Amino acid sequence: DVKVTQSSRYLVKRTGEKVFLECVQDMDHENMFWYRQDPGLGLRLIYFSYDVKMKEKGDIPEGYSVSREKKERFSLILESASTNQTSMYLCASSPATRSSYNEQFFGPGTRLTVL
Amino acid sequence: SQQGEEDPQALSIQEGENATMNCSYKTSINNLQWYRQNSGRGLVHLILIRSNEREKHSGRLRVTLDTSKKSSSLLITASRAADTASYFCATDPQGGSEKLVFGKGMKLTVNP
Repeated sequence: DVKVTQSSRYLVKRTGEKVFLECVQDMDHENMFWYRQDPGLGLRLIYFSYDVKMKEKGDIPEGYSVSREKKERFSLILESASTNQTSMYLCASSPATRSSYNEQFFGPGTRLTVL
Repeated sequence: SQQGEEDPQALSIQEGENATMNCSYKTSINNLQWYRQNSGRGLVHLILIRSNEREKHSGRLRVTLDTSKKSSSLLITASRAADTASYFCATDPQGGSEKLVFGKGMKLTVNP
């Protein structure tokens, strides 16, 4: 069974802390994505990666960075957490195909609260 | 940037009824996908329809695509309480990268 796992389901951090959110996929997918989901705003793309060590900014990259040292792992880093980064964070992966079948597989999400 | 917009934003029906959700988008696409999200969980892919397809079925799901109107609809027939979830449409824009663009989602409640 294909799987995307995220390191924590719930996380509570303090303002100014450095926060690491980890995502691992076992499907050998080239593409990995980080989204945040807020009520009324839907899913917003923070960063994505289409290969090891490659990354591209999404719609809301400010305040975040990412790391992809291995194909199966994609980390989201909040350099200095702020209260407005309290949100649900979703990781996803998809195969690198332009054959127009690019379904994304999602992890269960991490609900981050920054106090 | 948001491309897909689901309509209605919320729908409440009785078990056994059909549920129809609509999605409109703005640019040309390679495909359109529908996802479901149960409360507090990740999204699950339901169905994908390519730009050269007009209708697709999967179990109790029927998806239509009208590229001239830039719209899609998702029909769930004979709904069940377990269908209660949020539903999102996502588009794969032509000329884009590997990204999908998700709508804001709509909440379906199926009452037993």
